[in-house]
Amino acid sequence: NAGVTQTPKFRVLKTGQSMTLLCAQDMNHEYMYWYRQDPGMGLRLIHYSVGEGTTAKGEVPDGYNVSRLKKQNFLLGLESAAPSQTSVYFCASSMRTENEKLFFGSGTQLSVL
Amino acid sequence: AQSVSQHNHHVILSEAASLELGCNYSYGGTVNLFWYVQYPGQHLQLLLKYFSGDPLVKGIKGFEAEFIKSKFSFNLRKPSVQWSDTAEYFCAAPPSGGYNKLIFGAGTRLAVHP
Repeated sequence: NAGVTQTPKFRVLKTGQSMTLLCAQDMNHEYMYWYRQDPGMGLRLIHYSVGEGTTAKGEVPDGYNVSRLKKQNFLLGLESAAPSQTSVYFCASSMRTENEKLFFGSGTQLSVL
Repeated sequence: AQSVSQHNHHVILSEAASLELGCNYSYGGTVNLFWYVQYPGQHLQLLLKYFSGDPLVKGIKGFEAEFIKSKFSFNLRKPSVQWSDTAEYFCAAPPSGGYNKLIFGAGTRLAVHP
């Protein structure tokens, strides 16, 4: 019963390096999301997708790119990491018909030095 | 801009104490509101939700929340907390245009001491 799986769980980058965070869900959900969580700021939406092959910007999209080539996967890319991107990243998914009920992954702790 | 505010960032209680966590939203019109919870080492999960009808909604584990339109509030309550309620609690709401952009509050960390 995997649900939403994020990899990696921890990562340390140097400024300017690139990386990709992978999110996979096995619930056949149509919608997927990437959030970042920072102290005192709650969760802020980075990008989201309402279906395979479609993506849209959220509240804080700058510096990130996403792709949804397969329904079950949602990738978050950082092309040139900056210290301001140090955060905990959460992936989530939901059904189209009950899309207020998000299922979250366990998070990725990213530090950019 | 539409926003969701949680005023208490850290709350410390003893077991059996009553709990009330504040949540305020900034916009009018049709309002749907949610509380999510993240227990230590676990994923964020939906605790309860309000769509319409009875403004007092009940969720899992004895939690309830009351929607007060005149105060733009959706406070979370529990009459008697347990050590297992130690968690971080997030209020959330969708802006106009759909649920696929849930706005979360900053969260409240609750610590319950035995």
